[in-house]
Amino acid sequence: DGGITQSPKYLFRKEGQNVTLSCEQNLNHDAMYWYRQDPGQGLRLIYYSQIVNDFQKGDIAEGYSVSREKKESFPLTVTSAQKNPTAFYLCAIQPRAGEFNTEAFFGQGTRLTVV
Amino acid sequence: AQSVAQPEDQVNVAEGNPLTVKCTYSVSGNPYLFWYVQYPNRGLQFLLKYITGDNLVKGSYGFEAEFNKSQTSFHLKKPSALVSDSALYFCAVRGNNNNDMRFGAGTRLTVKP
Repeated sequence: DGGITQSPKYLFRKEGQNVTLSCEQNLNHDAMYWYRQDPGQGLRLIYYSQIVNDFQKGDIAEGYSVSREKKESFPLTVTSAQKNPTAFYLCAIQPRAGEFNTEAFFGQGTRLTVV
Repeated sequence: AQSVAQPEDQVNVAEGNPLTVKCTYSVSGNPYLFWYVQYPNRGLQFLLKYITGDNLVKGSYGFEAEFNKSQTSFHLKKPSALVSDSALYFCAVRGNNNNDMRFGAGTRLTVKP
């Protein structure tokens, strides 16, 4: 919402395939995040990036990869190594890394299903 | 490391009655506390936050939250619930030296007419 776009909204993956989820923002925010949401478990951090060409692993980075080649884009690749990828994936942005008192803004999410 | 607990998976209230959604937290140093709301198949929307100052924080859609340092709680409240308030609510915490925001498991609020 408000300048952050996730696509596609729904994505289906076959076993053994890699898929890439898109997150784009036009608010010139520095920090971008990827979360995974499963029922009853809240949001878990996969990766985050504070500046271009730099990113850090979150709690559940295994089986995922990211890149931050441009400030406005932070794509997430779900690799075949991720054994249970079916979930709702949320991208979030924040104006500047280190501004701990600012809220994050979330995209509309991508629902990934393994078929 | 910081953490958040939302002790109730589900809260049911009648329309017009007051509602409370509970949240407790654990963090080193001063906390930054946030409430978000999520509607089905949508992203999270920011409701309100506590940074410093007045313990009672007012936010969007008539919601407010009370910060209680001694009880390490940040409960979300609304004096009169609406059916349209039915959604999933998340509490989140961030420490003052940490860029990592931690979320609770969420509480599903159902407001019945």
